Amino acid sequence: DTGVSQDPRHKITKRGQNVTFRCDPISEHNRLYWYRQTLGQGPEFLTYFQNEAQLEKSRLLSDRFSAERPKGSFSTLEIQRTEQGDSAMYLCASSASGRNYEQYFGPGTRLTVT
Amino acid sequence: KQEVTQIPAALSVPEGENLVLNCSFTDSAIYNLQWFRQDPGKGLTSLLLIQSSQREQTSGRLNASLDKSSGRSTLYIAASQPGDSATYLCAVTSGTYKYIFGTGTRLKVLA
Repeated sequence: DTGVSQDPRHKITKRGQNVTFRCDPISEHNRLYWYRQTLGQGPEFLTYFQNEAQLEKSRLLSDRFSAERPKGSFSTLEIQRTEQGDSAMYLCASSASGRNYEQYFGPGTRLTVT
Repeated sequence: KQEVTQIPAALSVPEGENLVLNCSFTDSAIYNLQWFRQDPGKGLTSLLLIQSSQREQTSGRLNASLDKSSGRSTLYIAASQPGDSATYLCAVTSGTYKYIFGTGTRLKVLA
């Protein structure tokens, strides 16, 4: 399968713990995006990378959130000191460069903070 | 700031009916508009992508149109089936290529 993959698919953690999610994009795609979706809402943009450079961060990405994309391949999203409000689906997408290139989404990581 | 609105928020129709889902956006300077399907608790399935230079795209029973000047898109589903029940999301890209999503239309097709 050459699509976008995310790991884990589900994560249950206690409030205050740190969690890390991984996204593996389609191999030839140099852009990678993270979105967050809460219940009943559409996904909201968090951040995106072109190769290894993080080019934009949403105001939703508080100081407790950090994302990396070492070597421009896979990406990780870490949440420190999780709060119940962090419970959501975290979606990753990738695309080739260019304005008309479609983003392909992974299956998402469902985070539940208890 | 780009805002995307989807109407109706929820829709329930009998099987076999043709239906139209609406998406509107406030800034007409978009690159693409894309329709997605999302089943409960699942990720996004891409349905149709319309580039800014295009007016419509078709795939099977689905047809999506785009009117940039009026800031609107419609998704037409012909001969609806119970398996079409899902949430349908539209998203636009502009500027820095990130997607701006609507809140979706929850569709239920009754057998």
